Amino acid sequence: AQKITQTQPGMFVQEKEAVTLDCTYDTSDPSYGLFWYKQPSSGEMIFLIYQGSYDQQNATEGRYSLNFQKARKSANLVISASQLGDSAMYFCAMREGGYGQNFVFGPGTRLSVLP
Amino acid sequence: NAGVTQTPKFRVLKTGQSMTLLCAQDMNHEYMYWYRQDPGMGLRLIHYSVGEGTTAKGEVPDGYNVSRLKKQNFLLGLESAAPSQTSVYFCASSYSGTATNEKLFFGSGTQLSVL
Repeated sequence: AQKITQTQPGMFVQEKEAVTLDCTYDTSDPSYGLFWYKQPSSGEMIFLIYQGSYDQQNATEGRYSLNFQKARKSANLVISASQLGDSAMYFCAMREGGYGQNFVFGPGTRLSVLP
Repeated sequence: NAGVTQTPKFRVLKTGQSMTLLCAQDMNHEYMYWYRQDPGMGLRLIHYSVGEGTTAKGEVPDGYNVSRLKKQNFLLGLESAAPSQTSVYFCASSYSGTATNEKLFFGSGTQLSVL
C-alpha cells in the first residue's frame, strides 16, 4: 500500500505568489517524522523542512512552512513568494519510529514557477 | 565538506554486464541506503545498512547486491544488468535510523542506462 500520496503530478504558480503542495500519509505508528525534499533539474536532493508527529506547532523554514493536520494525515508544503529558482520536483517523505529502513518517499510533484 | 560522494555519475551498460556503484560518506554515519528513482514512482529503497558489516533488503532488492566492509563505504552491485535497471541511483546516509527526525543526506546520483 502506498504510504505517501502526492496527488499533484505537476503544478504551476506565478512568480511571487504562494503555492501549496499536497501530501497525505498512512501510518499506524504514533511516532513518525515527515520531510520535504527539493530536487532541482541538476538532480541533487535538498532537504527543506521537517515535522515531527508530536510537534504542536507547524514547522517553518524561511519561505517554507508545513501545514500539518494530524487527524487528516496531511502534511502539505506551503511555499510563500515563489521564485523562479523554486521550479523543481518536490518529494514528501516519512520516517516511522524505531526502524531505520522505514524512510519512504512519495511520487513527487513537479512545480513550475512562471515569470 | 564532501558529505556523501557517489561514483560514477553516469554509466551505460549492455544487458548482462556487471558493475559496482560506490558510495562514500565522511560524516561518520551509521546508516546507509541505496535508492532508485524512476519517473512517477519517487525513490524506492533497494538495500540499506545499519552499520559496518551489515546489510538488509529494502523494497526492490532483486537483481542487486550490496556490501559494507567499511563504515564509510556502501557498494551497490549489479551482477547481470537488465534494461529494467535503467534508473537514477541515489546513495544516502543518516547518523542513525532510530530517531524520527533523522534526515537523509544524499549523494548526487548516478544515471545508469542499460541497453
